[in-house]
Amino acid sequence: GAVVSQHPSWVICKSGTSVKIECRSLDFQATTMFWYRQFPKQSLMLMATSNEGSKATYEQGVEKDKFLINHASLTLSTLTVTSAHPEDSSFYICSAKGASLPGELFFGEGSRLTVL
Amino acid sequence: AQSVSQHNHHVILSEAASLELGCNYSYGGTVNLFWYVQYPGQHLQLLLKYFSGDPLVKGIKGFEAEFIKSKFSFNLRKPSVQWSDTAEYFCAVKYSSASKIIFGSGTRLSIRP
Repeated sequence: GAVVSQHPSWVICKSGTSVKIECRSLDFQATTMFWYRQFPKQSLMLMATSNEGSKATYEQGVEKDKFLINHASLTLSTLTVTSAHPEDSSFYICSAKGASLPGELFFGEGSRLTVL
Repeated sequence: AQSVSQHNHHVILSEAASLELGCNYSYGGTVNLFWYVQYPGQHLQLLLKYFSGDPLVKGIKGFEAEFIKSKFSFNLRKPSVQWSDTAEYFCAVKYSSASKIIFGSGTRLSIRP
């Protein structure tokens, strides 16, 4: 099946710093990528949808200036958590879908962010 | 509003027991339905999906799900569970009018060996 990889899988940072998480589709072109946040023992909360070459569409309540999403190519999307605070600590998951596999999502391994 | 609900938050079964996890979605037109599984420490994987056709869908690892349109349901079943089925299971729905997939709150399945 199609493979989506996230990096880093685990990151610890100090409060006030920015952290970038990468999401890559390794063997297909991802026309759309989704970024989710998962709190412990809870479901995935969609943060934003990004299409290659255009601005991301953010879900209600998600600060677009805090969670910067860039989808510069068909195989790479990045999520930057700016001026991170402890409440931003969470598990961030990306998923991608390609034109050749309509309707199906492929998930990355997730990135656990801990802000001290 | 478009939504999906999973009624069982935590299910505990013994090995060889039969499993059924409930999933209901709100009315919103044509839907695609999915079940994903997240094993401990691993990423989400697709178990099975329904787009159209036979409402009884068979997936990997012996799982199946039945789409009952009149009940807006897509319950997941397995006739005999194994200890290795211990995981978190997520039902998800994509409405034809939207590009995003909405996830249920998940059901944690614990299997006693």
